[in-house]
Amino acid sequence: SQKIEQNSEALNIQEGKTATLTCNYTNYSPAYLQWYRQDPGRGPVFLLLIRENEKEKRKERLKVTFDTTLKQSLFHITASQPADSATYLCALDGVDSSYKLIFGSGTRLLVRP
Amino acid sequence: GAVVSQHPSRVICKSGTSVKIECRSLDFQATTMFWYRQFPKKSLMLMATSNEGSKATYEQGVEKDKFLINHASLTLSTLTVTSAHPEDSSFYICSAKAAGAYSNQPQHFGDGTRLSIL
Repeated sequence: SQKIEQNSEALNIQEGKTATLTCNYTNYSPAYLQWYRQDPGRGPVFLLLIRENEKEKRKERLKVTFDTTLKQSLFHITASQPADSATYLCALDGVDSSYKLIFGSGTRLLVRP
Repeated sequence: GAVVSQHPSRVICKSGTSVKIECRSLDFQATTMFWYRQFPKKSLMLMATSNEGSKATYEQGVEKDKFLINHASLTLSTLTVTSAHPEDSSFYICSAKAAGAYSNQPQHFGDGTRLSIL
């Protein structure tokens, strides 16, 4: 079955540094991958989507890469700010339905001032 | 745009009670809505896919008689937890896809309902 792993439970970095979060998947070749942000007690908020034929996607301070050979996506936040502190989830389209999303367990990011 | 409202945000009730959670798309029509359950520090677990005007599709292991889903209009889906027990306590989140949206377009999430069964 599909398996999605995000790199660690928590990532602690200094303000101004670049945060890099990892999403690895196995037993599947998704057509696209999405990244969401979730704050405590709130629903996820969509950030970026990258398709299988795209290597990289950018949006302001965010950058996502998608390596279908390594079966890995990297999510970067440059010039990180304390307000970026949240849990970041990666999600893949479901193998039996591209309308469904399968989520990773998320990486909690803490940006220290 | 693309706002999804979920109500109530928090509910505490006694064991054996049935609880209804509403999910509304406020500024768009949603032919498909999804219901998730999330445990503390865990990922979102898809429970069911709700399609307007038809029966919901439940994921393996989810009891359809326990978690009743109704999607009677293009802007409203409801999840009813029947005869709730303490093990049903969790954070329930809905999401919606706009009508006509391609499969690779994002889902729009509500802010979740914290359900606590005493």
